[in-house]
Amino acid sequence: QKEVEQNSGPLSVPEGAIASLNCTYSDRGSQSFFWYRQYSGKSPELIMFIYSNGDKEDGRFTAQLNKASQYVSLLIRDSQPSDSATYLCAVNMILMGRRALTFGSGTRLQVQP
Amino acid sequence: DGGITQSPKYLFRKEGQNVTLSCEQNLNHDAMYWYRQDPGQGLRLIYYSQIVNDFQKGDIAEGYSVSREKKESFPLTVTSAQKNPTAFYLCASSMSGSTDTQYFGPGTRLTVL
Repeated sequence: QKEVEQNSGPLSVPEGAIASLNCTYSDRGSQSFFWYRQYSGKSPELIMFIYSNGDKEDGRFTAQLNKASQYVSLLIRDSQPSDSATYLCAVNMILMGRRALTFGSGTRLQVQP
Repeated sequence: DGGITQSPKYLFRKEGQNVTLSCEQNLNHDAMYWYRQDPGQGLRLIYYSQIVNDFQKGDIAEGYSVSREKKESFPLTVTSAQKNPTAFYLCASSMSGSTDTQYFGPGTRLTVL
């Protein structure tokens, strides 16, 4: 099992719909969780971080965290073609005795006009 | 403008050559990181540094070396011992420890000829 797992996609949604991106992680002791957006050929840019169970909203984005089930999700409301990108989930976890940010492989989102 | 800069944007290396990738930040961050990204994969940690004059190996440090002589700078050398260096290299920084949010530079794309 990968430490941070994401469906590679592509996830295709029509413009204006809600896109739901999911991520599961292996370390039950993880405390901080991040979503990054990466356009093709570019570096990742931070969208949101979440530390506590529940929902955290920022504009059209909502991060949801469920530590008991070890998953974190990102909802994008009113999806736009400009949201088409790869979304990376990152989890701060202990691997090989040290705490480090561990990234999933990313989910590619395509928003159809 | 505050941020992280990486140079060059593109780099070509011949077999047997060492090359150095530059990373500079003016965010006054203590911690800096180097990641490697291969097509369709997540980010893998090469080296990280939490304070000046100290750095630690990440998951894939073999064939790479770093230095941290100044807070602002964290150059990465890809040595001839790295057998498959063609990849996208990303530098990141965070305020302090590994639990903090990491911000990325624009990246350097290295190709071996």
